[in-house]
Amino acid sequence: DAGVTQSPTHLIKTRGQQVTLRCSPKSGHDTVSWYQQALGQGPQFIFQYYEEEERQRGNFPDRFSGHQFPNYSSELNVNALLLGDSALYLCASSFPGLPGTEAFFGQGTRLTVV
Amino acid sequence: GQQLNQSPQSMFIQEGEDVSMNCTSSSIFNTWLWYKQDPGEGPVLLIALYKAGELTSNGRLTAQFGITRKDSFLNISASIPSDVGIYFCAGYSSGNTGKLIFGQGTTLQVKP
Repeated sequence: DAGVTQSPTHLIKTRGQQVTLRCSPKSGHDTVSWYQQALGQGPQFIFQYYEEEERQRGNFPDRFSGHQFPNYSSELNVNALLLGDSALYLCASSFPGLPGTEAFFGQGTRLTVV
Repeated sequence: GQQLNQSPQSMFIQEGEDVSMNCTSSSIFNTWLWYKQDPGEGPVLLIALYKAGELTSNGRLTAQFGITRKDSFLNISASIPSDVGIYFCAGYSSGNTGKLIFGQGTTLQVKP
């Protein structure tokens, strides 16, 4: 049973560019959440998708957007990249339709903005 | 924003020793989760707690959901070198079941 998979694993972008990160949830999971983890910090919630809709959003600017596809996979898009966007981006999936349950994380995408 | 206070920030212990770390919040949480994260990897779920007072074990790990619903602790017994890593507490606060809130992490180092 494949767990949560993310791609790419590493990415280097230039300030001002746009980036798209991808996530496939754990088999049987329909809810996907995205988190940003700066070096030495705990993950910070960006947003959550369920039934292809953004269900909840954290304190991140509109430059951060997402999408969920009918197969439950998801994308995170970040526009107009800033140096401060450099971080580990984590995707988490959870059980069908049940908020507040265990969230399983992928290995993350390390984004470096130069 | 809402935060969890996790302590200690770091621990350096001898192999075989027991370890205890805890997490507190100023507000009520409905779920507590404990994760371990190795460098360059995503967090791995260790234990999930859903009820106040609940005590749950996973091998040498034991975690408890505080009766006030504002705290949780994790114990590791008889530590081994592979326990090295960063441990995070996380939870869903009351009325906010989509957003997982994390502590700052406890870095554990084990000396053989």
